[in-house]
Amino acid sequence: QKEVEQNSGPLSVPEGAIASLNCTYSDRGSQSFFWYRQYSGKSPELIMSIYSNGDKEDGRFTAQLNKASQYVSLLIRDSQPSDSATYLCADTKAAGNKLTFGGGTRVLVKP
Amino acid sequence: EAGVAQSPRYKIIEKRQSVAFWCNPISGHATLYWYQQILGQGPKLLIQFQNNGVVDDSQLPKDRFSAERLKGVDSTLKIQPAKLEDSAVYLCASSLGASLTTDTQYFGPGTRLTVL
Repeated sequence: QKEVEQNSGPLSVPEGAIASLNCTYSDRGSQSFFWYRQYSGKSPELIMSIYSNGDKEDGRFTAQLNKASQYVSLLIRDSQPSDSATYLCADTKAAGNKLTFGGGTRVLVKP
Repeated sequence: EAGVAQSPRYKIIEKRQSVAFWCNPISGHATLYWYQQILGQGPKLLIQFQNNGVVDDSQLPKDRFSAERLKGVDSTLKIQPAKLEDSAVYLCASSLGASLTTDTQYFGPGTRLTVL
């Protein structure tokens, strides 16, 4: 079992719709969770971090964490073609700050 | 503020050859990371430095990979000898400190390695 799992996609959403991305993790000791965006041929960039159960909103992005169910999700509201990218979920374990990434979900926003 | 610099951006070598990648982190960043990203996968941490000391190298294939950060600033990652499965993008990242809950990790543009 992979430590951090994501559906590889592609997730196709129409412009203006909500894109919903899910990520599950296997280690109950995972403490912190991150969402990175990676455009094709570019390096990852941090868009959201979440540490506590519940929702965290930042602009059009909302991260949701449920530690009991061991999943973290990312909602992108009012999706734009510029949101088309691969979204990487990552966690860190209790003991340190090493990021473990999932394989990423490719999102395609169609005009 | 300048970002993380890496060179070269692209490298093509034949299997069993050697290759080295260079990284210059953001000024003042004490923590430096090297990741391997195989096409279609997420980045995998190879080695983490705190200043010039190794914090984590548990996933570094030490029989062929080596890395150093001698003066706590620039870093070099070397592969010797290269295998076909080493074809990947090698990403360098840096953060101000060691805690990712307070310090954002910034990635460089990466070096795309193709082993023929």
